[in-house]
Amino acid sequence: AQSVTQLDSQVPVFEEAPVELRCNYSSSVSVYLFWYVQYPNQGLQLLLKYLSGSTLVKGINGFEAEFNKSQTSFHLRKPSVHISDTAEYFCAVRPFKAAGNKLTFGGGTRVLVKP
Amino acid sequence: DSGVTQTPKHLITATGQRVTLRCSPRSGDLSVYWYQQSLDQGLQFLIQYYNGEERAKGNILERFSAQQFPDLHSELNLSSLELGDSALYFCASSASNTEAFFGQGTRLTVV
Repeated sequence: AQSVTQLDSQVPVFEEAPVELRCNYSSSVSVYLFWYVQYPNQGLQLLLKYLSGSTLVKGINGFEAEFNKSQTSFHLRKPSVHISDTAEYFCAVRPFKAAGNKLTFGGGTRVLVKP
Repeated sequence: DSGVTQTPKHLITATGQRVTLRCSPRSGDLSVYWYQQSLDQGLQFLIQYYNGEERAKGNILERFSAQQFPDLHSELNLSSLELGDSALYFCASSASNTEAFFGQGTRLTVV
């Protein structure tokens, strides 16, 4: 079984400041890792994913994340946020091999960007 | 636009009733997943279908059922509805193990 913990439920940040959203996971098997964003009244949109290779992954909208296997973490960062980045962000994992390919999500982190 | 279409967008119904949520996956995607998003439980996996067959089951109540039809669209049936079933229900589809695309969701309100 897998579990995902997002350490901050809410993160207020000023426009043009950097932001880091923390994600830790637990799994007895190897997993793929994902970050999704949910804008108000919208569905989930994939920001980035880690499958293999370089541990620094770049995604859309200037976001990047770093996979740390020893710390079982996959923290998301953006060097300079915009008002439009106000949204809820979800970290998720999926086992390499499983009967189903279900995603296990963290509880989400609400980012509020202030002018 | 993810290419995954869910209908209806909003649904208000009374306790004890039955509703059907519909999902059309992206063209060519054989896998369909259903998730429930609620304030107290967060995003929970309900069930997955692959090319018409049930592939995996999560925390889906016995009052809930789903199916995937030959044209690959899927329906989630929720019966004997309770107030606690009020939530956002997402459908996702994928063609591979590595990425799932989500619809806009159906917001169900049980009154």
